[in-house]
Amino acid sequence: GAVVSQHPSWVICKSGTSVKIECRSLDFQATTMFWYRQFPKQSLMLMATSNEGSKATYEQGVEKDKFLINHASLTLSTLTVTSAHPEDSSFYICSAPLAGPGIGELFFGEGSRLTVL
Amino acid sequence: EDKVVQSPLSLVVHEGDTVTLNCSYEVTNFRSLLWYKQEKKAPTFLFMLTSSGIEKKSGRLSSILDKKELFSILNITATQTGDSAVYLCAVSTGTASKLTFGTGTRLQVTL
Repeated sequence: GAVVSQHPSWVICKSGTSVKIECRSLDFQATTMFWYRQFPKQSLMLMATSNEGSKATYEQGVEKDKFLINHASLTLSTLTVTSAHPEDSSFYICSAPLAGPGIGELFFGEGSRLTVL
Repeated sequence: EDKVVQSPLSLVVHEGDTVTLNCSYEVTNFRSLLWYKQEKKAPTFLFMLTSSGIEKKSGRLSSILDKKELFSILNITATQTGDSAVYLCAVSTGTASKLTFGTGTRLQVTL
């Protein structure tokens, strides 16, 4: 099946620093990728839709200047948490849809757990 | 605003029991409903449902969608401790496969 790889899987940083998380589709091209955030014991909340070659679309309440998204190629999207603070500590997951017979089925990366001290 | 509601929020059963998890939704531009199992990390795909009344089955798990009443159920028969996880229901809308997730049902299967 399709594979989505996310890196790093775990990152700890100091407050005020920026952290970049990468999401790669390994065996398929993804013009669209989605970034989710999950707080402990809560469900996944969509943060933004990453579009290859154009600006990301952010969900209501998500600060686009804080969560920078760049969809550099058909297989790579990055999420940069700028000037991270402890309240940004969360589990960040990316996903990508597989076009073709599986339209609508999303494949998820392994997730990145961010801890801001 | 798109909305997906799951019930119950949590459930504890004994190994061998059968469980039914519920998911109701109110969304615009429905495309499909998906079930995922989440253990420690990212969700793993279980089913995708697009048509009403057609049961999808995989081993002890099965699921069905009712597009008239806007809900789906996920059944697990003869539960095992390895079934313990959070089960997430999500609805795909629009043309870009955007997913709206429910709150999840936390299932614990005890010996």
